[in-house]
Amino acid sequence: AQSVSQHNHHVILSEAASLELGCNYSYGGTVNLFWYVQYPGQHLQLLLKYFSGDPLVKGIKGFEAEFIKSKFSFNLRKPSVQWSDTAEYFCAVNNAGNNRKLIWGLGTSLAVNP
Amino acid sequence: GAGVSQSPSNKVTEKGKDVELRCDPISGHTALYWYRQSLGQGLEFLIYFQGNSAPDKSGLPSDRFSAERTGGSVSTLTIQRTQQEDSAVYLCASSLGTSGSHETQYFGPGTRLLVL
Repeated sequence: AQSVSQHNHHVILSEAASLELGCNYSYGGTVNLFWYVQYPGQHLQLLLKYFSGDPLVKGIKGFEAEFIKSKFSFNLRKPSVQWSDTAEYFCAVNNAGNNRKLIWGLGTSLAVNP
Repeated sequence: GAGVSQSPSNKVTEKGKDVELRCDPISGHTALYWYRQSLGQGLEFLIYFQGNSAPDKSGLPSDRFSAERTGGSVSTLTIQRTQQEDSAVYLCASSLGTSGSHETQYFGPGTRLLVL
């Protein structure tokens, strides 16, 4: 069965620090990969996604993620975080075949101190 | 344009009662999904509708849970004889389609259900 693992449950950073959140998935077939973000009091919104092509994808607000197929990983990065990046970050995967349901990681809570 | 809307935003009910949760997808989106987010757990897929195809109900946790999608638009998730373990945030999402970039899912604000 598909599963998604996010290595960091809670991360605390100071502004301007670099960020990398780990995401690994288990599935032998072709996948689509997503990072969603949930800011305090707001609903889930898409940060970035990978379907095919260039494995380095760029999203909103300066975030990027790299798909490394051999490592089954899709880590999220940002070179310099801001206080406004404080949020919950979720990695999700779905089967690029017929099944469209998203399988989710447990999320990483990021707190950025000003 | 308008996003996915859900109602009610909060629902408190007593154990054993039935509840109905509503989702209005983005206009023109053919696919609709329900997920559940329980405290301390990740998001859990419940059910998926795509056009006129039979829904994928593989995520429904028990036969107390059911969902309908009328006219290819609005969806209702019904939980019968609610139990305390049903307490969670129920999220609805919709997507334009199911291929390529059309399958990006857009989420509503959720319904927070508390079963006493």
